[in-house]
Amino acid sequence: GESVGLHLPTLSVQEGDNSIINCAYSNSASDYFIWYKQESGKGPQFIIDIRSNMDKRQGQRVTVLLNKTVKHLSLQIAATQPGDSAVYFCAEKAGTALIFGKGTTLSVSS
Amino acid sequence: DTEVTQTPKHLVMGMTNKKSLKCEQHMGHRAMYWYKQKAKKPPELMFVYSYEKLSINESVPSRFSPECPNSSLLNLHLHALQPEDSALYLCASSRAGGLSTDTQYFGPGTRLTVL
Repeated sequence: GESVGLHLPTLSVQEGDNSIINCAYSNSASDYFIWYKQESGKGPQFIIDIRSNMDKRQGQRVTVLLNKTVKHLSLQIAATQPGDSAVYFCAEKAGTALIFGKGTTLSVSS
Repeated sequence: DTEVTQTPKHLVMGMTNKKSLKCEQHMGHRAMYWYKQKAKKPPELMFVYSYEKLSINESVPSRFSPECPNSSLLNLHLHALQPEDSALYLCASSRAGGLSTDTQYFGPGTRLTVL
């Protein structure tokens, strides 16, 4: 599968591959993290979240990993499908404000 | 049901116009938010309402005026906007704004163009 060690604005994968999207967050006090998927012309859609007292959480075809030591968050998508093509944003929360990362555009080709 | 609805879907307005964006949710959420998103950028927080009271204003110009008539509705009144205000305006809601582990759910947005 495709993976990136640093945040990159774009990621291109083949259908069926596993995708890994990385995110570095800034605030050590952030205690809640969310991944959103945003398709063209639509609002951000909740995918999966994780609290700071966890280091891994799994959903359907998606896994989020949290490394608080290096302030790093990743989203793994298994068996990537064309419908997964979108911009993916990580977001961190400390209190009320939700701070979004820069976003990664995932392109899936058949 | 995690649906947040926004109207209109698209809006074109002149710099002297007055218009309003509307947002509605029926999930019983008590916190509602306005975000602005420019092309290829992440959403940026503008306002937060918690229990129908404005709790956060991220130094937004006064030509944007939010209003929360009740716990289900959120409006954004627009007056004398500039072309650089053209963007996607997103509404979101969450159970209660004070909790850091509170998931925000977004509407589809209003695509605003200021001529």
